[in-house]
Amino acid sequence: GESVGLHLPTLSVQEGDNSIINCAYSNSASDYFIWYKQESGKGPQFIIDIRSNMDKRQGQRVTVLLNKTVKHLSLQIAATQPGDSAVYFCAENRYTGANSKLTFGKGITLSVRP
Amino acid sequence: NAGVTQTPKFQVLKTGQSMTLQCAQDMNHEYMSWYRQDPGMGLRLIHYSVGAGITDQGEVPNGYNVSRSTTEDFPLRLLSAAPSQTSVYFCASSLQGGSYEQYFGPGTRLTVT
Repeated sequence: GESVGLHLPTLSVQEGDNSIINCAYSNSASDYFIWYKQESGKGPQFIIDIRSNMDKRQGQRVTVLLNKTVKHLSLQIAATQPGDSAVYFCAENRYTGANSKLTFGKGITLSVRP
Repeated sequence: NAGVTQTPKFQVLKTGQSMTLQCAQDMNHEYMSWYRQDPGMGLRLIHYSVGAGITDQGEVPNGYNVSRSTTEDFPLRLLSAAPSQTSVYFCASSLQGGSYEQYFGPGTRLTVT
């Protein structure tokens, strides 16, 4: 979920297990959601996205679930690998007047134990 | 395609100095944006542009200026650097606005002393 303060929440999983990273979003009018992965020293990298007219979307080893009723987004990673260790951000697209902007959550650190 | 490029990668400024962070993309994207990332925080939007000649403020615009004279380039100017602007800056671009995947550059790490 979302974090407050300076320290990101951390999810620690065993290599090979499935990971579930959760995110709460705030705007019921948001129409597009996206998950990014950020490795140390690099820019955020796209993982998967979903539009508000869907509740599930699958990619390679990743699944995103959207629950609009409770404004909740989750990222599931199957068979987690050491290379999945990173900070994960969810983002929602919000409209402000004629324009739309992505608003990012504070991020969750995924740590994979060998 | 080079994607989104940013220069410099690292910069140290003294309080009161000015500088420009460069950002360029070769994907013919209309939408470009600048974010800052501070420890333990997500990315916060500074300024964005929906096309050449059009810019608007984001969440934290104070102390920064932008312009968009071409589709490819979107420089970020720090007018008078302050220690509070010590951060990592990311530029991003997308086809159209926030409802499409944004591609990020590698970032510029700025320290203001």
